[in-house]
Amino acid sequence: DAKTTQPPSMDCAEGRAANLPCNHSTISGNEYVYWYRQIHSQGPQYIIHGLKNNETNEMASLIITEDRKSSTLILPHATLRDTAVYYCIAHSSGTYKYIFGTGTRLKVLA
Amino acid sequence: GAVVSQHPSRVICKSGTSVKIECRSLDFQATTMFWYRQFPKQSLMLMATSNEGSKATYEQGVEKDKFLINHASLTLSTLTVTSAHPEDSSFYICSARNSGGGNQPQHFGDGTRLSIL
Repeated sequence: DAKTTQPPSMDCAEGRAANLPCNHSTISGNEYVYWYRQIHSQGPQYIIHGLKNNETNEMASLIITEDRKSSTLILPHATLRDTAVYYCIAHSSGTYKYIFGTGTRLKVLA
Repeated sequence: GAVVSQHPSRVICKSGTSVKIECRSLDFQATTMFWYRQFPKQSLMLMATSNEGSKATYEQGVEKDKFLINHASLTLSTLTVTSAHPEDSSFYICSARNSGGGNQPQHFGDGTRLSIL
């Protein structure tokens, strides 16, 4: 699986959009980009995933650049409960296992 | 949908005790489950891949005799920490992948915090 790079921490004001970047410049053609978040003392929660098209669900939007070397997770209206560590993973079904990077610690401020 | 239940959520026990942690996929079948370990302020580290009906695959540096994995059904995998010592204290998390395969995401349990006195 391709290595991913994320900023270690970010702050976001409550009610504003949180844009979390992820670099995966060595991603291969069959690798999807998955996003999870981990709230303190809980297991990671699945957010969204995509291959090359932008994706949106009830939690977030995923924007993948045309060259697929980077992506951005967007939480449109951040709340205090969105404070968590966010992980971006590049993964193909053939290898099964995930490799977690260090993630981005997002702090939503009141 | 896609719920993974992990039990117990917290264990405190004496050194030398063996501890079993269960991971269940509640609403889907999981041919493959994964066990992770997480130390404070660190990321998740994959310990082993649990395969239904066959032996688990352990990551480099993980002692298979120390961390016994059994995946006897399509909805249950267990991790037994044998003769646990204080250095085994950690947060253990399992995940499961739907047997339907493809690009479906893994779903994680809520973890087990193990404290060895």
